[in-house]
Amino acid sequence: QITLKESGPTLVKPTQTLTLTCTFSGFSLSTSGVGVDWIRQPPGKALEWLALIYWDDDKRYSPSLKSRLTISKDTSKNQVVLTMTNMDPVDTATYFCARSLGYSPPFDYWGQGILVTVSS
Amino acid sequence: DIQVTQSPSSLSASVGDRVTITCRASQSISNYLNWYQQKLGKAPKLLIYTASSLQSGVPSRFSGSGSGTDFTLTISSLQPEDFASYYCQQSYGTPRTFGQGTKLEIK
Repeated sequence: QITLKESGPTLVKPTQTLTLTCTFSGFSLSTSGVGVDWIRQPPGKALEWLALIYWDDDKRYSPSLKSRLTISKDTSKNQVVLTMTNMDPVDTATYFCARSLGYSPPFDYWGQGILVTVSS
Repeated sequence: DIQVTQSPSSLSASVGDRVTITCRASQSISNYLNWYQQKLGKAPKLLIYTASSLQSGVPSRFSGSGSGTDFTLTISSLQPEDFASYYCQQSYGTPRTFGQGTKLEIK
């Protein structure tokens, strides 16, 4: 059974750095073709893709947020970490992690999401 | 970046209706187009991948078609549990991009 779960702070102040962790089970990020992505969704709005890390440590970022994002993995812990610097109220959103398999795959398994509010 | 334009943004329909949602990519993406269903407060659920392949466990009333730049999601006979939001997403390249979503409401 494949599961993913996001964890981290639910409230951050403007200008702070957000660190989110995706902890997963049922697959390994050392297996060829596996990737874990981060996607967010502001309240009432559409989904926005943020970043992706592949099993071989190849990393991809949203061009509009690239300067603020860092994605990393800890294969031994089955975790993927996303950091986003200089948080702003417009970054208030539910943040999801999801698995992808292959180089042009869908997101076949998703975490439940974590709502992060940016407010002073 | 590949832009994905989804229409309509909202749709009112009745149980038993046939509905179609469309998605257009700004360049050819072959068949790397996926469809998701999202219910309020929940994570999206994969319905269709590579334009027309039905994800395991998804009812056969859902179908997808298209290639290149134009794609459709069809629900052949709406059931009460189908009233939700739907998103298309291209996986041809990065950045991955989503459509703006279609909210399917009960008429």
